[in-house]
Amino acid sequence: ILNVEQSPQSLHVQEGDSTNFTCSFPSSNFYALHWYRWETAKSPEALFVMTLNGDEKKKGRISATLNTKEGYSYLYIKGSQPEDSATYLCAAETSGSRLTFGEGTQLTVNP
Amino acid sequence: EAGVAQSPRYKIIEKRQSVAFWCNPISGHATLYWYQQILGQGPKLLIQFQNNGVVDDSQLPKDRFSAERLKGVDSTLKIQPAKLEDSAVYLCASSLGPEAEAFFGQGTRLTVV
Repeated sequence: ILNVEQSPQSLHVQEGDSTNFTCSFPSSNFYALHWYRWETAKSPEALFVMTLNGDEKKKGRISATLNTKEGYSYLYIKGSQPEDSATYLCAAETSGSRLTFGEGTQLTVNP
Repeated sequence: EAGVAQSPRYKIIEKRQSVAFWCNPISGHATLYWYQQILGQGPKLLIQFQNNGVVDDSQLPKDRFSAERLKGVDSTLKIQPAKLEDSAVYLCASSLGPEAEAFFGQGTRLTVV
């Protein structure tokens, strides 16, 4: 069973703060790294899927980087807003499209 | 594009009873996942299908859980008999395949009392 770790487990920030989370995963048998946002009472929604070492992706105020050699990815949120409050999940994809999730980082943005 | 449909949204049963969940994936998605998410933990893969074949069911408690994906489209997950520790959100997701994002249903929140 693959071990995917996320930190911190939870985070409280003030509106306007920038923040970042970490996802670490085994670099062997790696195919892709996924980030999802899961808001309360909704379905998890994909943010990014990254495959190449050094990949950087951006969607609005949210961006992510990938280091496949050392097995980590960072997710950044610039100028956090209350609507960014959610659980952020990363998942490592291995052969056969197998997705193994971390335990998530629960972000709360206070107005 | 219609999303992944799951039913029911909520279910409360007594321990030792049986329960079934249904999932209709996005049309054309060959890969279908069932995850169990216990409060405070990340989603745990129970079973993964590629079309109607099982790719991975290594974490499925086969003495009480079963799943099928007839005709490679809809899928059902059954628990018989349920235990208190089965209380969780059961998520169904589908994807086109390797390196493609997974699309999730809204989940079924199961409470076993």
